[in-house]
Amino acid sequence: QVQLVQSGAEVRKPGASVKLSCKASGYSFTNNAIHWVRQAPGQSLEWMGWINTATGNTKYSQNFQGRVTISRDTSASTAYLDLSLLRSEDTAIYYCAKHDSGAYYGQWGQGTLVTVSS
Amino acid sequence: SYDLSQPVSVSVSPGQTVSITCSGYNLEDKYVSWYQQRPGQSPMLVICKDSERPSGIPARFSGSNSGNTATLTISGTQAMDEADYYCQAWDSYTVVFGGGTKLTVL
Repeated sequence: QVQLVQSGAEVRKPGASVKLSCKASGYSFTNNAIHWVRQAPGQSLEWMGWINTATGNTKYSQNFQGRVTISRDTSASTAYLDLSLLRSEDTAIYYCAKHDSGAYYGQWGQGTLVTVSS
Repeated sequence: SYDLSQPVSVSVSPGQTVSITCSGYNLEDKYVSWYQQRPGQSPMLVICKDSERPSGIPARFSGSNSGNTATLTISGTQAMDEADYYCQAWDSYTVVFGGGTKLTVL
């Protein structure tokens, strides 16, 4: 079955960076884009960006331009989210999601909690 | 930037029908998807491409999209349907989510 398994919780100090992973299984990794979405405590879902897993091309939300990098390793069927210059407002659960044709997310990862605190 | 608006909360009695709206400019020109999120869980797709139900989603969930408004309807609402619901659309190679609606089953 299709699965997205994300890396474990992280704690960082303000100004630091964090790199999260999302390992896909159960389908051909390069057939579907991977998107990253975050959710701050008690807040709505916020889209961050996506990667074309076949070409490596990326598109980011303007809200994160310059601070976010999404990459992938096709040999490992894994996508990555790198977020820099962390601040307390970046404390959130970060989800990866598989993008299906028809512009929807058919599968989500379990989420990774990132806590930014001094 | 493109925005989607949802009511903050709606309530329904068990067994009744409830509708949750999602509003955006010319929304009917875009595919809208709906996600259910229970506390402590990842979002789960309940409606895609405006009105399609993924495998395993009960038939009481339905969707529509016309004009500036997409609607998620739950018929015969059950206690287990109490959750947050988010609409989502794809616009110019970016993704937009609505602010989410908390459904309370009284």
